Parts: sequence; C-alpha cells; structure tokens
Amino acid sequence: GAGVSQSPSNKVTEKGKDVELRCDPISGHTALYWYRQSLGQGLEFLIYFQGNSAPDKSGLPSDRFSAERTGGSVSTLTIQRTQQEDSAVYLCASSPLIRGKAFFGQGTRLTVV
Amino acid sequence: KQEVTQIPAALSVPEGENLVLNCSFTDSAIYNLQWFRQDPGKGLTSLLLIQSSQREQTSGRLNASLDKSSGRSTLYIAASQPGDSATYLCAVTQGGSEKLVFGKGTKLTVNP
Repeated sequence: GAGVSQSPSNKVTEKGKDVELRCDPISGHTALYWYRQSLGQGLEFLIYFQGNSAPDKSGLPSDRFSAERTGGSVSTLTIQRTQQEDSAVYLCASSPLIRGKAFFGQGTRLTVV
Repeated sequence: KQEVTQIPAALSVPEGENLVLNCSFTDSAIYNLQWFRQDPGKGLTSLLLIQSSQREQTSGRLNASLDKSSGRSTLYIAASQPGDSATYLCAVTQGGSEKLVFGKGTKLTVNP
C-alpha cells in the first residue's frame, strides 16, 4: 500500500512569503506528527495530531507556524512570513496507534532565500 | 528534559564485520524506543520498536536491546553489507507523551 506522502518535495521561497506543506498519511492511521530536521541538528518535534485535534503543539517554534488536519487524514503545516532560519527538511509521520511504530514521509526541503 | 545521545557520530567498517551502535537517554521513564534508518535525502524507515517492558527485538540481521534502568540501548548489526550504509537514529517516546525524542544519529559506512 501507499506510504506517507508529502508535497512538495522541494520548496524555495522568498523571505517573508507564506508557505504550505502537505502531508497525506497512511490510510487509517490515527496519529500524525510533524518534525523538522535542520542541517547539523537532530529531528525536532513540532506538533502531534490525534484524529483532527492537536493535543501537543509544544514544538511549534513561533506563532508564525500553524497546522491543521482535516477528515482525520490530510494535514497542512503553514509557515507565515518565512525567515531564513525556517530553512530545513520538514518530515511528517503517521502511526496506526498512539506511541506506535512511526512511518515517515520523504520530507519537504524548504529553502528560504 | 529527555536527552538522547548516540555514540559514535560516525563509524566506518569493512564489509562482513559485526557492529554495535549505542544510544543513551537521560530519563528512564520511557514508553518505548525505536531505531530508524535514514538514507541521504530520504525520510526515516523504522527498523525496530522495543516496548519499555521488553529487553530486545530482532529483525533479520538486526538486534536491538534495551536496558531501561541504565538508560541504554544498542543496535547490533550482524555481517554488515555496503547496503547497510546509512544514518541510524534512536528515538524514545517519553511516558505521558506521544512525541519521539531523537538522538542525532550515527552515520555508518560499510566499505566493500
């Protein structure tokens, strides 16, 4: 079956522009996570969804970052007024169970110029 | 705050060698621990998941052990192959939380 799909795979944007990153989880997976991987850094947790609700948003770095999930499926991560420090690979993962095995997408490489 | 450390940061071995990757975590109150593999420019692939009540998990040439009380896990790779070359990441799920806390990984190179 299909894995976790993320789009776009690469995004170059100008500083100050808004961007939307999309994640299509594996069908039926209840839990969905967003992580960020910056050059030389480890993976940084951003937000977690259980169904359409986000019980843990503690990793969002600022109010420029927001995310939503609709229909218990697709999720969108939005970054407003992008800054150069937002440049990173944004990874989405889904899991059939809370705290279960995590299945990651290929990521979206965001470059802010 | 949970911190996960992986040593060494990089490892280069000849093909056929058995090897061990190490992972340590500061807070032993974990729910589970996962080992992942990341190939360049790719996402992560889950290799093994060990629940906090378990001591080890095996999949093919891979064996992961967990000593929760000492805050350590090891990933043993038997008879390494060039195709095993990748970055291996360890991550824990803290008790009472749903998020994974990752180490920075060990970059493994298996030379033919």
